[in-house]
Amino acid sequence: NAGVTQTPKFRVLKTGQSMTLLCAQDMNHEYMYWYRQDPGMGLRLIHYSVGEGTTAKGEVPDGYNVSRLKKQNFLLGLESAAPSQTSVYFCASSYITSGETSYEQYFGPGTRLTVT
Amino acid sequence: KQEVTQIPAALSVPEGENLVLNCSFTDSAIYNLQWFRQDPGKGLTSLLLIQSSQREQTSGRLNASLDKSSGRSTLYIAASQPGDSATYLCAVTLIYNQGGKLIFGQGTELSVKP
Repeated sequence: NAGVTQTPKFRVLKTGQSMTLLCAQDMNHEYMYWYRQDPGMGLRLIHYSVGEGTTAKGEVPDGYNVSRLKKQNFLLGLESAAPSQTSVYFCASSYITSGETSYEQYFGPGTRLTVT
Repeated sequence: KQEVTQIPAALSVPEGENLVLNCSFTDSAIYNLQWFRQDPGKGLTSLLLIQSSQREQTSGRLNASLDKSSGRSTLYIAASQPGDSATYLCAVTLIYNQGGKLIFGQGTELSVKP
């Protein structure tokens, strides 16, 4: 199992450019999440999905869009990048155990994004 | 609003010492609490997950406890080693939040000196 993978690992964008970050998991997890990590702010949830075809806003959703067309993939889009979106982005997934909801989250290695 | 606090923010200890990292949360209505390890420039590795009905979990030299009523958790590391140097994060899942979203603390940066 590869677990949770993220592409790309690094990216530099100019202000106003757009890009899509891809998260893939091979654990058949129902739930997927996008977080950003900034110095002094910790990890904050951007968007999440509780199943294929569903998405919901997290704590800091402005400037981002997401899609979950396939259960194993969760895409994070930046339509018009801003310097404030310079951050490390982490994707995570979690599962529901039989008879009990666990919500244990597994994280990808991260994408380091710089917007100049 | 749930707030998660970790104390201390940084800790430096000599190799072999036993140590305790602290995590506190303001809302006791949690589903579970997870402890993660993050190495510089890397992702998060889950160390231990404690369900709200449990009091502690152990894995090797690590022991995590949970006291929901007082809003506290501790991560105990026995016989620390230089390889334990990393940032340790605790996070809680709120019971009334759909989708199992995590609320993170700021982390404790641990340095174990040889």
